[in-house]
Amino acid sequence: EPEVTQTPSHQVTQMGQEVILRCVPISNHLYFYWYRQILGQKVEFLVSFYNNEISEKSEIFDDQFSVERPDGSNFTLKIRSTKLEDSAMYFCASQTSGIDTQYFGPGTRLTVL
Amino acid sequence: QKEVEQNSGPLSVPEGAIASLNCTYSDRGSQSFFWYRQYSGKSPELIMSIYSNGDKEDGRFTAQLNKASQYVSLLIRDSQPSDSATYLCAVNRSGGTSYGKLTFGQGTILTVHP
Repeated sequence: EPEVTQTPSHQVTQMGQEVILRCVPISNHLYFYWYRQILGQKVEFLVSFYNNEISEKSEIFDDQFSVERPDGSNFTLKIRSTKLEDSAMYFCASQTSGIDTQYFGPGTRLTVL
Repeated sequence: QKEVEQNSGPLSVPEGAIASLNCTYSDRGSQSFFWYRQYSGKSPELIMSIYSNGDKEDGRFTAQLNKASQYVSLLIRDSQPSDSATYLCAVNRSGGTSYGKLTFGQGTILTVHP
């Protein structure tokens, strides 16, 4: 069964460093998302991406964040200058249409020291 | 008012019992509704989706939707210890400026004890 994959599973970085989190969505899906979950808190929407551009972004998704689909398979989230409060699980999700089920990847645990 | 609110839990039921999980949402424009299960340290895993008023059954799971009351529920029959997890209610507006963004509740922790 097709699944969303994410790498790395765990990333440790120093405050102020740039990180890139990578995702490979399910191949026939058209809508792509990043969510994050701070430990003990709810899952929060960061950004949606469709037709090679951002469709919607949350207040969390400020100028330090960017997304890219550099080729036909990868979908990346870049944090330019990480802060301690960026420490969280980051989930990538994809879906075929805007109201269909979103399938989540296993997540990347980001730890900012 | 929270956008998506779930019964706070934690909820503890004996094995074989029915577990009832509830969720209310504030946005009347919401179009699709999902229940995800999340084990500790893992990603959300879809349990049920529901799009129209009424009941939807899948094995031991039944989702119920009442758009007039802005209410979604999940019933788990014959609960098993393996059902012990956090259950997340998620709501999708997808219209106008919203392209499928899921808004999650805070989750309800369910424990099924033998």
